[in-house]
Amino acid sequence: ETGVTQTPRHLVMGMTNKKSLKCEQHLGHNAMYWYKQSAKKPLELMFVYSLEERVENNSVPSRFSPECPNSSHLFLHLHTLQPEDSALYLCASSPLTGGELFFGEGSRLTVL
Amino acid sequence: AQSVTQLGSHVSVSEGALVLLRCNYSSSVPPYLFWYVQYPNQGLQLLLKYTTGATLVKGINGFEAEFKKSETSFHLTKPSAHMSDAAEYFCAVSLSNFGNEKLTFGTGTRLTIIP
Repeated sequence: ETGVTQTPRHLVMGMTNKKSLKCEQHLGHNAMYWYKQSAKKPLELMFVYSLEERVENNSVPSRFSPECPNSSHLFLHLHTLQPEDSALYLCASSPLTGGELFFGEGSRLTVL
Repeated sequence: AQSVTQLGSHVSVSEGALVLLRCNYSSSVPPYLFWYVQYPNQGLQLLLKYTTGATLVKGINGFEAEFKKSETSFHLTKPSAHMSDAAEYFCAVSLSNFGNEKLTFGTGTRLTIIP
């Protein structure tokens, strides 16, 4: 596989569930990102990891918990979400925190 | 701080007609400017970018954009629209001395192509 791969592509969960989104990049990049895409809103940067260290956390609620075990993998752990958290969650990578972003196809999350 | 405004959340053009998608920015330092495209059920893909140098930037799929500092604009154009151009387009601005953690996106413009 090449590029940035996200799983699952679709996820439906209740507010009391715990689930995780997974992102894997095969580009040899050192920086990885989670973005939230909601209708009619700008893309929101949630977390940035550079060389497996978190470098940016834009005041994201604690019910979202990122994990970056190595430079190729990024997870977003979800627990006790709210319906307003329903959105498309996009993972991206770049060579370092500069340079072109390469996006995955996203994970469409619906919280009931 | 920086921000970006995309005028028109929806734009429709006929196949073969000119495509013009508008983007205005504000930035306290010289900006880096980007256009990304998102096809249905896909992630975003870089179309083109301006960092320094020539103000007319050519990208993929026949698109180009011109950086106009006096107008704080970075409008995206394509001379002749094709059905495959139907997608959502995002303008983004970054401060020139920061990385992607300072990249700010616009709200997007959905482009529809009329056969």
